[in-house]
Amino acid sequence: NAGVMQNPRHLVRRRGQEARLRCSPVKGHSHVYWYRQLPEEGLKFMVYLQKENIIDESGMPKERFSAEFPKEGPSILRIQQVVRGDSAAYFCASSRLDKHPVNTEAFFGQGTRLTVV
Amino acid sequence: DAKTTQPPSMDCAEGRAANLPCNHSTISGNEYVYWYRQIHSQGPQYIIHGLKNNETNEMASLIITEDRKSSTLILPHATLRDTAVYYCIVMSSNDYKLSFGAGTTVTVRA
Repeated sequence: NAGVMQNPRHLVRRRGQEARLRCSPVKGHSHVYWYRQLPEEGLKFMVYLQKENIIDESGMPKERFSAEFPKEGPSILRIQQVVRGDSAAYFCASSRLDKHPVNTEAFFGQGTRLTVV
Repeated sequence: DAKTTQPPSMDCAEGRAANLPCNHSTISGNEYVYWYRQIHSQGPQYIIHGLKNNETNEMASLIITEDRKSSTLILPHATLRDTAVYYCIVMSSNDYKLSFGAGTTVTVRA
């Protein structure tokens, strides 16, 4: 199964620590998207990346959050100085193209559940 | 500015067809209708999408009205594993952000 792989599946951090969430897209996919699902809420778009480029980060909180998708290796969503409000499920998706025309769809990973204590 | 309206919940008997409605009365000519579902604690899963013609795949059928203002997702033989939140999403071919609303929570009962 060469689907989107996210790790860790569960992550516990104390307030003030850093959280690093990793996402390996489907093989051959060069477009990665991160979504966040707060408890009892819907999924919200955070950021869209291509290899070595951030295309759209309009959904990212302005502070403490950053994302990258290096030439080699997985995409990383980094949250610095975590607070309790960052507790959520973070999902990564990948696609072949930067949009979803007729023949493509986004493949999602199983998510990373971040708990800030 | 919700583009779609779905009932919050519905029940379905195992083995019967599940018909999930979605209203998208403001849909534009270049916008597609996508359906995703999210089984508890898992990532969203793509089901099907269409522009104006009815579509069918191994998972479901999508019926879009002629005026394209509404559509119905049909799960032909619902199983307990189809219990999930189903999202109807309208998106143009130039967009990449999936806007997940509240969806419909479908519970399949034995």
